Amino acid sequence: DAKTTQPTSMDCAEGRAANLPCNHSTISGNEYVYWYRQIHSQGPQYIIHGLKNNETNEMASLIITEDRKSSTLILPHATLRDTAVYYCIVRPPDNNAGNMLTFGGGTRLMVKP
Amino acid sequence: DSGVTQTPKHLITATGQRVTLRCSPRSGDLSVYWYQQSLDQGLQFLIQYYNGEERAKGNILERFSAQQFPDLHSELNLSSLELGDSALYFCASSVASRGRISEQFFGPGTRLTVL
Repeated sequence: DAKTTQPTSMDCAEGRAANLPCNHSTISGNEYVYWYRQIHSQGPQYIIHGLKNNETNEMASLIITEDRKSSTLILPHATLRDTAVYYCIVRPPDNNAGNMLTFGGGTRLMVKP
Repeated sequence: DSGVTQTPKHLITATGQRVTLRCSPRSGDLSVYWYQQSLDQGLQFLIQYYNGEERAKGNILERFSAQQFPDLHSELNLSSLELGDSALYFCASSVASRGRISEQFFGPGTRLTVL
């Protein structure tokens, strides 16, 4: 699986957009970009994924550059409850049994009042 | 609530002992994954089962073993415990459909403390 690089930590003011970058310059053509987050020792929570088009759901937006070498997760209006470690992961589609996740260090996002 | 359940929530035991962690996947999910999260190693994949069969192995020690039962619940067995085995152990499940993308849903974890 391709490796990802994320900043170790970021701060964001409550109510503002949080933009979390991820570099994945060695991503392969069939690999997807996934984002998960982990709130204080809880189980990781799926946020969003994409292949090459930008994606949006009720939690966040994912912007993937045209060359697919980097992406940005956007939380449009961060709240204190969004304080968590955010993991950017790249992985291929499932084989016939699924596929493990390889977590890096992630970005510790602190949302401040 | 992810739909994945894990028991027990907390476990405190002594070095040299053996423990069993249990996971019930979401209804309909055939794949179960086990991950370990320690302070110095981060989240690491241990092992995956699919419909009762082992499918992938990660950084799992020989002292650790797992199985998935016909009802699809899974157990992770940790033996000859050492202080360094103290960690959060997460179970995740997914539908797993070949060639497609399936999310993994994580349970709340079991916090193991070895004294």
